[in-house]
Amino acid sequence: GENVEQHPSTLSVQEGDSAVIKCTYSDSASNYFPWYKQELGKRPQLIIDIRSNVGEKKDQRIAVTLNKTAKHFSLHITETQPEDSAVYFCAAGLSGGYNKLIFGAGTRLAVHP
Amino acid sequence: GAVVSQHPSRVICKSGTSVKIECRSLDFQATTMFWYRQFPKKSLMLMATSNEGSKATYEQGVEKDKFLINHASLTLSTLTVTSAHPEDSSFYICSARPTDILSYEQYFGPGTRLTVT
Repeated sequence: GENVEQHPSTLSVQEGDSAVIKCTYSDSASNYFPWYKQELGKRPQLIIDIRSNVGEKKDQRIAVTLNKTAKHFSLHITETQPEDSAVYFCAAGLSGGYNKLIFGAGTRLAVHP
Repeated sequence: GAVVSQHPSRVICKSGTSVKIECRSLDFQATTMFWYRQFPKKSLMLMATSNEGSKATYEQGVEKDKFLINHASLTLSTLTVTSAHPEDSSFYICSARPTDILSYEQYFGPGTRLTVT
């Protein structure tokens, strides 16, 4: 089955700096890689996702890259702001139907003013 | 769009009793819903995949007789924690995937915090 590893577990940056979170997956059949942001006591919110037919996707200050050969994908946040502080989870899986997502262990990001 | 609700948001029950948690997709149909458990400062642990009109698929190590799942309609799945024990205390979150063979996204409910005393 799929296994997802996520690093680092904690990340502390100064406001305005960039933050990078990396994940690796084991199942080469996986074709969907979402990233979720979870604030304390709240539901995970999808912030960006990438499908296996593209290598990079960007949405304002957030970007995700995918290297299918190496089986790893990364989240990049530029110009970080204090409100970016949260736990970020990567996930990998197959699209559609009953297919499940496997989540990484999470990265606790702290952005200091 | 793509809103998922959960009820109740918090529940406290005594050991030995059963608790039912509802997960609803409010503005879309979901053939498949997922139930997760999350411990403090930990990741989302998939418990089971709930399929409308059929039996749920449980992950290894999850007791199906303890965590009963019923997906009676395309907008509702329920998780019943039977004979609850203090170690069942946790944050339970559901997610729903729109009924579309090509759908990718899962949308999460707000979670239910269960405390067993």
